[in-house]
Amino acid sequence: AQKVTQAQTEISVVEKEDVTLDCVYETRDTTYYLFWYKQPPSGELVFLIRRNSFDEQNEISGRYSWNFQKSTSSFNFTITASQVVDSAVYFCALINTNAGKSTFGDGTTLTVKP
Amino acid sequence: GAVVSQHPSRVICKSGTSVKIECRSLDFQATTMFWYRQFPKQSLMLMATSNEGSKATYEQGVEKDKFLINHASLTLSTLTVTSAHPEDSSFYICSTTVNTEAFFGQGTRLTVV
Repeated sequence: AQKVTQAQTEISVVEKEDVTLDCVYETRDTTYYLFWYKQPPSGELVFLIRRNSFDEQNEISGRYSWNFQKSTSSFNFTITASQVVDSAVYFCALINTNAGKSTFGDGTTLTVKP
Repeated sequence: GAVVSQHPSRVICKSGTSVKIECRSLDFQATTMFWYRQFPKQSLMLMATSNEGSKATYEQGVEKDKFLINHASLTLSTLTVTSAHPEDSSFYICSTTVNTEAFFGQGTRLTVV
């Protein structure tokens, strides 16, 4: 069975602060993919990143960065210099490459105050 | 990337009526479609997996007679909430996977009054 844990239910920061959202996963598969999505109030899921289990290189995209550590089964997401528009619910998810279905964490609600 | 079009985006219906939600793959063929439900302030939970031309597979605790799934073609999967009740009010979202990348519909916010 697969499981994704986002221990932080809610995070509140002041604009321009850096913030890290944690994600820990469990799977018996050797090949899998990890994702981060942003869900604004409209509900639509906005894709942020995909990382496969064989690629532990960290990635930076603008103010976003991701740290994948297979040894600790973690895939953490950092927003640098946060902005009010970053306020949303963020989901970490895992896909089993055989089944194709996504397992989501419970989500972290990020509030960035001006 | 692949596009999944889901509609309606919002629907309000009376208790006891049925509501159909459609998901179309616009530029590719989706042999499998996943249907998720998200209650307020909760995560997305997989309800069922539909496969083109065969019966859907439902997750434990999901009533197959209440949530009818049809995947009659490679570009269309539908979810019908039958005899809807207020507790069915939720956000429903479909998804398919292409080359291990997941693509989601825009979601349908169902309110049963």
